[in-house]
Amino acid sequence: KQEVTQIPAALSVPEGENLVLNCSFTDSAIYNLQWFRQDPGKGLTSLLLIQSSQREQTSGRLNASLDKSSGRSTLYIAASQPGDSATYLCAVKNNAGNMLTFGGGTRLMVKP
Amino acid sequence: DAGITQSPRHKVTETGTPVTLRCHQTENHRYMYWYRQDPGHGLRLIHYSYGVKDTDKGEVSDGYSVSRSKTEDFLLTLESATSSQTSVYFCAISDRINQPQHFGDGTRLSIL
Repeated sequence: KQEVTQIPAALSVPEGENLVLNCSFTDSAIYNLQWFRQDPGKGLTSLLLIQSSQREQTSGRLNASLDKSSGRSTLYIAASQPGDSATYLCAVKNNAGNMLTFGGGTRLMVKP
Repeated sequence: DAGITQSPRHKVTETGTPVTLRCHQTENHRYMYWYRQDPGHGLRLIHYSYGVKDTDKGEVSDGYSVSRSKTEDFLLTLESATSSQTSVYFCAISDRINQPQHFGDGTRLSIL
């Protein structure tokens, strides 16, 4: 059974810092991996999707990498801003089935 | 936001009553999903649909049923609600199996 872990569970940084969020998964037979952000009381907003054949994806200040063989993905946020404060979730889709398995999330606070 | 509307947004009901949650999309996407989000368990898939009248079970399907009679609507029914089904329920859609899933704003359901 796929298990997805995100460390740390919470992170507080001053504005302007570059930061890395980590996601690890136990079964490397994945189809793709998706990063989301969730604001309090809201749904999930899709940030980036990396297919299993890709190594990274970039969108603005966000860069996500994927190392399938080691079961890891990172989300890099450049020049963090208070508006980046949210919970960040990663989710993997296995080759078998049509289910996303989610990590527990990293709650990020960027202080002005 | 992707054109996803969940209704109701909030509901309080009593144990043993039937409850139906609705997800409506305007994107004409093939795939629709129901998730629940609980502290300590993260997001878990309940059921999903891969076309009109085509549905399949997810990780936590016991006590839930779904129906999809039209492309745009996906209904989640709790036949006899229990307190353990108190949760936040999210609907998601995707165009193809390898495309990102986009989420609605959720329904907060409390069963007393």
